[in-house]
This record gives sequence, C-alpha cells and structure tokens, in this order.
Amino acid sequence: SQQGEEDPQALSIQEGENATMNCSYKTSINNLQWYRQNSGRGLVHLILIRSNEREKHSGRLRVTLDTSKKSSSLLITASRAADTASYFCATVSNSGGSNYKLTFGKGTLLTVNP
Amino acid sequence: GAGVSQSPSNKVTEKGKDVELRCDPISGHTALYWYRQSLGQGLEFLIYFQGNSAPDKSGLPSDRFSAERTGGSVSTLTIQRTQQEDSAVYLCASSLVRLAYSYNEQFFGPGTRLTVL
Repeated sequence: SQQGEEDPQALSIQEGENATMNCSYKTSINNLQWYRQNSGRGLVHLILIRSNEREKHSGRLRVTLDTSKKSSSLLITASRAADTASYFCATVSNSGGSNYKLTFGKGTLLTVNP
Repeated sequence: GAGVSQSPSNKVTEKGKDVELRCDPISGHTALYWYRQSLGQGLEFLIYFQGNSAPDKSGLPSDRFSAERTGGSVSTLTIQRTQQEDSAVYLCASSLVRLAYSYNEQFFGPGTRLTVL
C-alpha cells in the first residue's frame, strides 16, 4: 500500500513561477525523501529530510517536514521547463526491520510551460 | 562511474510465458532492491537483497515472482506464467551497505517496461 500521498496529482505552471507539492504519510518515519522521474527515465534522488529536521534546502529546492501532521512539502523556486517531471515522496519507516525500504506516494506530475 | 543498468529496456511477452529481467548494480553496492511501477498501484517495493541473501521478499505479489542475486552483484527477477496484471515498469536500485538507522541513498536504474499481451 502507498504510504505517501502527494497532492496535487498534477500541476501546471509557467516558467519562473514557484511550484509547491505536498505529501502526507501515515506511520512513524526515519526520513522522507523526494525523487524526480522524467519521462522514460529512472528515479533521481533530490533531497532527504530526517525526522528530527524541519526544513532543508538544496539549490532551488526547499523541503519542509511536519511530523506532527505527518506531512512534507517540496518547493521548487524559479521553475524551468527542464523541471517538467513527476515528483514522488518516499518514506523510510522508523521500525528497525524496515529502515531500508522506500514507500512511495503516487506522485505529482509537474508541467512547466516555457 | 557507471550507474545501475537494467536489461532489457522493453519486453513484450504473451500471457503465460516466463520472463527474466536483469539488473546490474553499481559496483561495490552490497544492497539491491526491486520495485514495480504500475498505473494502478504506483511504485511498490518488491524485494531487498543484502549481498546474495534476500532478507525481505515481502513485496513479491505472488509465488510466480522470484529473484536471485549471484556474486553479490547481478540480480535477476523472474516472472513465471506472466499475467496481464504483471505489465509494469520494473525498477532496480542499489546502495552501499545498509546501516541501522542510517541513510543509504538508493540509485535507480532506468527500468524495464514489461508488457504482457
């Protein structure tokens, strides 16, 4: 079953605008990660945020984590046409036996129009 | 260095036939994972290898699915008597040795798109 649920399912914006995607999850986590998938290509790891962190930045990416609400958001600033892709959140469980397994959400399809 | 590679990139087969999907992990990565991506189920974990052993096969959807890993490197995912619902993209990932409560980034291959007619 899917742990993470992203919203929106699809997002269309103009180049230069910011894009915000949200992810909710259900169980206790060790960390949460965001991945990008371009059409026809594999998943690329973007950023990881640990359960004891609240915000993290990497270039044009900003991730927040609210463990009390079991939710995370990914902000892409100053979007580019090349950012067009599907974005997935994935959680790693906090239970000792499963801290290697990524549990993915269904993803947000982002389209950045030039 | 080279990333994770998978072959074939596309596979079309007839219902009832067996298929083998191959994954070559990044050299030196002891952990290997198989995931499946389908329209209805999204991205699902299938199986995890640490070296040649598979401590977690919990995601394999049925006994028609099996996987092995030899020499701590290449892995093969086999689907016997394929069904139409097996149609999906099968993704392989690898990472360095797993440490308890430590993050080991998983590097994904491009996937094998399986279509069962």
